[in-house]
Amino acid sequence: QQQVKQSPQSLIVQKGGISIINCAYENTAFDYFPWYQQFPGKGPALLIAIRPDVSEKKEGRFTISFNKSAKQFSLHIMDSQPGDSATYFCAASRLTNTGNQFYFGTGTSLTVIP
Amino acid sequence: DSGVTQTPKHLITATGQRVTLRCSPRSGDLSVYWYQQSLDQGLQFLIQYYNGEERAKGNILERFSAQQFPDLHSELNLSSLELGDSALYFCASSVGGGGAYIQYFGAGTRLSVL
Repeated sequence: QQQVKQSPQSLIVQKGGISIINCAYENTAFDYFPWYQQFPGKGPALLIAIRPDVSEKKEGRFTISFNKSAKQFSLHIMDSQPGDSATYFCAASRLTNTGNQFYFGTGTSLTVIP
Repeated sequence: DSGVTQTPKHLITATGQRVTLRCSPRSGDLSVYWYQQSLDQGLQFLIQYYNGEERAKGNILERFSAQQFPDLHSELNLSSLELGDSALYFCASSVGGGGAYIQYFGAGTRLSVL
């Protein structure tokens, strides 16, 4: 059972456009929602993360929108650049003081066309 | 470079065999996480150790085991290998055991079971 569902599987965007990737979760106990960026041959790297007490978090061109009632969150990449071409994973976790189990979406392959 | 070192980079072995994957965390990080990344299932959390103790466990098969040593490096042991175990195995490290600490991923070990 996929705890976090991610869409679309792949996305092609023109340079300068907005890339939007969506994720949905079921477990209302999740309280930490990170997004990771992965380039070919590399491990994932944390891009941005949000806690459910805020509805939006912005870092540069990257914004997470969070809808607690709908159990959905999304990543928006503004002014998309060819260098943003990568695979993006959303994830969710219920943080504890001792240890954290993370659930990842299946990934979105983003291609930004020059 | 994330500072997390995984060896070997590639591993080719046969069904029924046993292999050991090694991970050295970033300097100062006490937590180590193991993930399996396959094409059809994306990133799957396997297990987390903090300062030598198991802290969180995902859907790790009984044929798989892990440990973290006093020098904080970790090993993931995979035994009775099956074709379906072919995947990328990532290790990540973080400073803390719980909470929203950033996980830094290594470049992964690609396991091919023939």
